Amino acid sequence: QKEVEQDPGPLSVPEGAIVSLNCTYSNSAFQYFMWYRQYSRKGPELLMYTYSSGNKEDGRFTAQVDKSSKYISLFIRDSQPSDSATYLCAMGIQGAQKLVFGQGTRLTINP
Amino acid sequence: GAVVSQHPSRVICKSGTSVKIECRSLDFQATTMFWYRQFPKQSLMLMATSNEGSKATYEQGVEKDKFLINHASLTLSTLTVTSAHPEDSSFYICSAQGGQTLYGYTFGSGTRLTVV
Repeated sequence: QKEVEQDPGPLSVPEGAIVSLNCTYSNSAFQYFMWYRQYSRKGPELLMYTYSSGNKEDGRFTAQVDKSSKYISLFIRDSQPSDSATYLCAMGIQGAQKLVFGQGTRLTINP
Repeated sequence: GAVVSQHPSRVICKSGTSVKIECRSLDFQATTMFWYRQFPKQSLMLMATSNEGSKATYEQGVEKDKFLINHASLTLSTLTVTSAHPEDSSFYICSAQGGQTLYGYTFGSGTRLTVV
């Protein structure tokens, strides 16, 4: 079993829809949770980070963490074609250098 | 904000030659840099972790004699793919941590290596 599981998609939705992206994990030691966005042939860029259960909102993006279920989500409201990218979840442990990444979900927002 | 510059963005080389990829932190000191490999439609695979002034730590299955990593300064790390073969063709990405909290990782823009 992988430490972090993420549905690779692809996921295709119409413009304006609410998008839900999810990851599950098996290691209860994970303390930090991040979402990265990666455009084609570019490096990932950090979108959101959280370190506690609950919701964190930033503009159209909401990151949700449920440590009891070992489940994290990223919601995108009012999705735009420019949101089309691969979204990767990542997790880490305080004091450890490495992040563990999910496989990434390819998202396409259709105009 | 923190910026990591990675060069070249794209390189094509002949089989058997070596290729060097540079990763520079432009506005912060990167005590730790990470090198990843990414195949099409797949996630990032960590190859090695390098700390300034010390030998890199390679992940299981990564040949350290083939993928040479040097982190000689707090702003520069290099990955050299030696005796490249077509199966080494991939997207290589570096990321840097500036000694801050875990979310202080910044990624470079990646290098697409094609070995012909």
